[in-house]
Amino acid sequence: DVKVTQSSRYLVKRTGEKVFLECVQDMDHENMFWYRQDPGLGLRLIYFSYDVKMKEKGDIPEGYSVSREKKERFSLILESASTNQTSMYLCASSLPDRFGPQHFGDGTRLSIL
Amino acid sequence: AQSVTQPDIHITVSEGASLELRCNYSYGATPYLFWYVQSPGQGLQLLLKYFSGDTLVQGIKGFEAEFKRSQSSFNLRKPSVHWSDAAEYFCAVGANQAGTALIFGKGTTLSVSS
Repeated sequence: DVKVTQSSRYLVKRTGEKVFLECVQDMDHENMFWYRQDPGLGLRLIYFSYDVKMKEKGDIPEGYSVSREKKERFSLILESASTNQTSMYLCASSLPDRFGPQHFGDGTRLSIL
Repeated sequence: AQSVTQPDIHITVSEGASLELRCNYSYGATPYLFWYVQSPGQGLQLLLKYFSGDTLVQGIKGFEAEFKRSQSSFNLRKPSVHWSDAAEYFCAVGANQAGTALIFGKGTTLSVSS
């Protein structure tokens, strides 16, 4: 069974802090994704990566960066956290085959105070 | 531009009654369509997917969905709802291209009354 693990379920940080959200998958998937989920807005793609050291901007990349140094790990970085980045963050992974579904982690609920 | 619309924000269904959740998409080519479910405090779980072939697809937990190209729809159905089906449901469309991301609808919250 595919397992996507997000390092924290709940996280509280202060404005201006640099925040790291970590995601690890154990199925050797090439593709990895970071989404943000807000009530009434659904899931919005922040960044995705289709290979090690490769990244593509999604719909809302502003204020975020990512790192993929190893295939199994995809990190989301909030360079200088702001209160409007308080949200649920979901990581997903998939095979490069377009038929492959995305497998999701349980999410990190991030609060910026 | 690609988009997915789920017209119903919130639906309440009695336990044992049938369910239909609506999904409309806008996509220039043959879409790849998915339904996901999210229980409270959890990530998203894939219910079913459509790529080609039979337009009625079966999924897990007794769900099915029908692809109707003429209506640009991919509605999710279940003949008899159980209380454990209460969750948020997301429809998503994918591009016919490897290495691209899905586009999700805004979700429909399902409540089940006894």
